[in-house]
Amino acid sequence: TQLLEQSPQFLSIQEGENLTVYCNSSSVFSSLQWYRQEPGEGPVLLVTVVTGGEVKKLKRLTFQFGDARKDSSLHITAAQPGDTGLYLCAGASSNYQLIWGAGTKLIIKP
Amino acid sequence: DAGITQSPRHKVTETGTPVTLRCHQTENHRYMYWYRQDPGHGLRLIHYSYGVKDTDKGEVSDGYSVSRSKTEDFLLTLESATSSQTSVYFCAIKGQRDTEAFFGQGTRLTVV
Repeated sequence: TQLLEQSPQFLSIQEGENLTVYCNSSSVFSSLQWYRQEPGEGPVLLVTVVTGGEVKKLKRLTFQFGDARKDSSLHITAAQPGDTGLYLCAGASSNYQLIWGAGTKLIIKP
Repeated sequence: DAGITQSPRHKVTETGTPVTLRCHQTENHRYMYWYRQDPGHGLRLIHYSYGVKDTDKGEVSDGYSVSRSKTEDFLLTLESATSSQTSVYFCAIKGQRDTEAFFGQGTRLTVV
């Protein structure tokens, strides 16, 4: 069974601080995605990484796919209250099904 | 906007009653999915469909059935609701890139 472990499960920090969220597995994924979910809404796709070692930037968010395509990280620089939400990673298995992490609940305090 | 509408958005039902949740999409996507989301578990796949009348089970399919008689509609039925099925249910479609998912707004179901 493929598993994706996200850490930390919960993070509360002050506005302006930096943070990193991790998504780890013992399995290799063909691609990995990051989603953000706000209360009462469905998850919204932020980014897809495909190549081992790939780095993608979305404004203050930096996403990295591990060289072996087993892990990924999301780094937020100078966090803002608008970054508050549940961050989910999902890995694509060989049969194109998505394996989901349990999520990181992020709160940015003004 | 992937044009996904879920109904109802909220429902409270009694244990033992049947419940049907509806997912409607407007963009003719072939693949549709039903997930449930519970604290600490992330998203878990219940059933999915890869075409009209073509469906398959996910990891938590017990107690659920689905039907897809039209491309645009994917129905999830709880045959006899139990308290363990209290959850938030999300419908999703597969995007143009094979592995990307786009979600509806969810249905919050409470079984009392």
